[in-house]
Amino acid sequence: DQQVKQNSPSLSVQEGRISILNCDYTNSMFDYFLWYKKYPAEGPTFLISISSIKDKNEDGRFTVFLNKSAKHLSLHIVPSQPGDSAVYFCAASASRGAGSYQLTFGKGTKLSVIP
Amino acid sequence: KAGVTQTPRYLIKTRGQQVTLSCSPISGHRSVSWYQQTPGQGLQFLFEYFSETQRNKGNFPGRFSGRQFSNSRSEMNVSTLELGDSALYLCASSLEARLAYTEAFFGQGTRLTVV
Repeated sequence: DQQVKQNSPSLSVQEGRISILNCDYTNSMFDYFLWYKKYPAEGPTFLISISSIKDKNEDGRFTVFLNKSAKHLSLHIVPSQPGDSAVYFCAASASRGAGSYQLTFGKGTKLSVIP
Repeated sequence: KAGVTQTPRYLIKTRGQQVTLSCSPISGHRSVSWYQQTPGQGLQFLFEYFSETQRNKGNFPGRFSGRQFSNSRSEMNVSTLELGDSALYLCASSLEARLAYTEAFFGQGTRLTVV
């Protein structure tokens, strides 16, 4: 059972426009959410995160929105640039009493920004 | 500040062999996690180590094992390799495993091909 879902395998956006990447989760224990960007043959690079006590976090061109009641989060990139073309992974973690740390990832959305 | 270093970058092994992958975390990071990335399954959690102790393990067979040394460096071992073990193996380090709200930083990965 997939606990973190990214239902769009790919997305194409014109340069300068907004890119919106979506992510849904099913596990109510998740309380911290992260977005990673990945280029081929490289490891994922951390982009932005949000804890469950917030509904929005912004960092430059990147904003993450969290809707806890809908168990949905989204990443907005404004304006989109060709260098943003990559695979974006949504990830979630849950607080654990023993302090163990585990990220559960979605399968990724490939973003293509067209010049 | 050096990032997460994984060695080797590429490996080709034969079915039935075993393999050891190495990961050096960011200096000061004590939590090391391992993930397997395949085209069909995305990134899947293998295990997490903190202070030389395995704190959490994903749903992988016992052929997959790991350890962490006193300097936080970690190794993972896969015995009796199968064709399906071909994947990108990613290591991630985190500052403090007991903090749920922390991001993981990934290495570039080791691309394992089993023939």
